[in-house]
Amino acid sequence: AQKITQTQPGMFVQEKEAVTLDCTYDTSDQSYGLFWYKQPSSGEMIFLIYQGSYDEQNATEGRYSLNFQKARKSANLVISASQLGDSAMYFCAMREENFGNEKLTFGTGTRLTIIP
Amino acid sequence: DTAVSQTPKYLVTQMGNDKSIKCEQNLGHDTMYWYKQDSKKFLKIMFSYNNKELIINETVPNRFSPKSPDKAHLNLHINSLELGDSAVYFCASSQDDTQETQYFGPGTRLLVL
Repeated sequence: AQKITQTQPGMFVQEKEAVTLDCTYDTSDQSYGLFWYKQPSSGEMIFLIYQGSYDEQNATEGRYSLNFQKARKSANLVISASQLGDSAMYFCAMREENFGNEKLTFGTGTRLTIIP
Repeated sequence: DTAVSQTPKYLVTQMGNDKSIKCEQNLGHDTMYWYKQDSKKFLKIMFSYNNKELIINETVPNRFSPKSPDKAHLNLHINSLELGDSAVYFCASSQDDTQETQYFGPGTRLLVL
């Protein structure tokens, strides 16, 4: 079974609108971390935001916020007031509490295109 | 003052050759990783090292050999390159704590002809 599922292979959004990128995860661990990374066309992987499984509040970083719904095992990324520079691939990732085997498991990504 | 750097950025080579990719981080992190991103953009862990010791080896062919001369460097050597090795290889690093954010290098685009 997929540990990280991103169901939107591609999205087109009008500039200045808010956008939600979906991510659901599967784990039996009590302690885990959820991450979002952005990969623009230039190829680098840019860390955006992190949510710990015990964090009671949703994480926010500037225009990025993570809508964490633990019972539903979802960790959607919300980008407010989208900009042309937000066009990129977005990856959701999870790190489980597996001491000695810390690694990120990535979803398949969502390609976001912002339309002027 | 790049945090995680990789060289080279592009690597084009013939099948059967041996090549190395270098990675250095100046963040003072204890743990470093190699990931492979295939043509469909799927990212998968290959190796991780903590303080120069191998922690994760994810069923990668033994043609791939990571080497960590010190905790700031994790190099990837690939023997007898095959067409299927063509991919983007990312180095990353994190502090040695659970749930610490991993910071990625710019990637090395390997093309095997």
